[in-house]
This record gives sequence, structure tokens and C-alpha cells, in this order.
Amino acid sequence: NAGVTQTPKFRVLKTGQSMTLLCAQDMNHEYMYWYRQDPGMGLRLIHYSVGEGTTAKGEVPDGYNVSRLKKQNFLLGLESAAPSQTSVYFCASTQRTSGRGGHYNEQFFGPGTRLTVL
Amino acid sequence: AQSVTQLDSHVSVSEGTPVLLRCNYSSSYSPSLFWYVQHPNKGLQLLLKYTSAATLVKGINGFEAEFKKSETSFHLTKPSAHMSDAAEYFCVVSPSGLGGTSYGKLTFGQGTILTVHP
Repeated sequence: NAGVTQTPKFRVLKTGQSMTLLCAQDMNHEYMYWYRQDPGMGLRLIHYSVGEGTTAKGEVPDGYNVSRLKKQNFLLGLESAAPSQTSVYFCASTQRTSGRGGHYNEQFFGPGTRLTVL
Repeated sequence: AQSVTQLDSHVSVSEGTPVLLRCNYSSSYSPSLFWYVQHPNKGLQLLLKYTSAATLVKGINGFEAEFKKSETSFHLTKPSAHMSDAAEYFCVVSPSGLGGTSYGKLTFGQGTILTVHP
């Protein structure tokens, strides 16, 4: 099992350019998430998906769009990149536990994509 | 609403001495709590998790954490630090018991950077 993979690993964009980050998981998880990590701020949720064909906004969604056309893939798009979007982006996936209580298993994270916008 | 506060942004210890990383949380519902570790330029790895079973949770690499509801704390400890423990540690909370409406979303603390001196 590869777990969660992300492509590309590094990218440099100019302001106004667009790009798509790809996340893939081979664990058959229903839930997938995109986070950004900035120094001293932990990870913040951008968008998430609770199943194929569904997406929802997280804490910091502005400037990003997502799509979940296949269960195993979750794409993050930047239509017009801005320097404020310079960050490390992480994808994660998880599955809800069975039984009562509504608990979720831990999230499994990809290795990250380091994006610089000039 | 939920939040996490990691009380120290940096902790420095000598190899072989105990490690204590402090975390307080706030959650309207019975939470799931996690500690993740991130080594430089790497993704996040789960150290341990609490999901309403035993309040003392043992994780990988000799780490453990105790859930104290009365103090709303989930501090991470290790009896003897190793050089390989040098990394950034994140305390993470997720609400549970909401009948599925939390969708496994995580709230991260700001992170604690652990330095281990020889």
C-alpha cells in the first residue's frame, strides 16, 4: 500500500498562474481533506470531501477549488495564485469507525507539496 | 466550537531526560484527541490517539499521554528523550459523538518544536 500520495512535491508559480495539486489514496477511505501549513499556525483545513462527488469548505477556502470525481482522488486547484498562497499543502484521508459514538479513525497524511508563489 | 492550545512553542531537553509537551483543549462535545509528529521536511505521523477508552494512552517510540477531562488537558510525555525525537509535535482535537456531523475534521494546535541536546 502506498497510503496517501501527492503530486507534485515542489512547485514554483508566478502570481496569477494556475495549477492543480493531486492527492491519491489507496485505502478506500471515504473522507479526504486538504490542509495548508504555515509557520506557527499548525495545519488549517482548506476543503474536505465526505465521499465521491461531494466537497465542502473548511476554515480557509478562499482562492481554492476542489473536486472529488473518483473516490481515491482529491484535487486542489488554484485558479489565480497569489503570494499569500505560498505554503506547504497536505492531503489526508480517513474512515469513520464502526459502532456508536461517531468517532473517526486517525487521518493519514501525504508527504506534502511545497508551493512558492512569486 | 473546538480549539487547541499548545502551551510551549519550543521545548529543549537533554538526551536521556524526560519530555513534557503540554496541550489544553476546548470542545463542546466529547472529543477525540491525537498527537502527531512531523520531522523536518516530512509528512505527519500519528504518535497516539484517545477516543474515550483508557485515559492513559500509549503510543509509538515510548510516548504516552493522559486525558484529563477536569483539566481539559492531554499532555504528551516520554521518560527519556532520544536524539531522534527532535521534531515538531502537534496536538489535535476532533469532536465526536455528533452522529456524524463533524466529518472527522481536525483542529490543530500551533505546534511545539522539540530540540534534543546531546
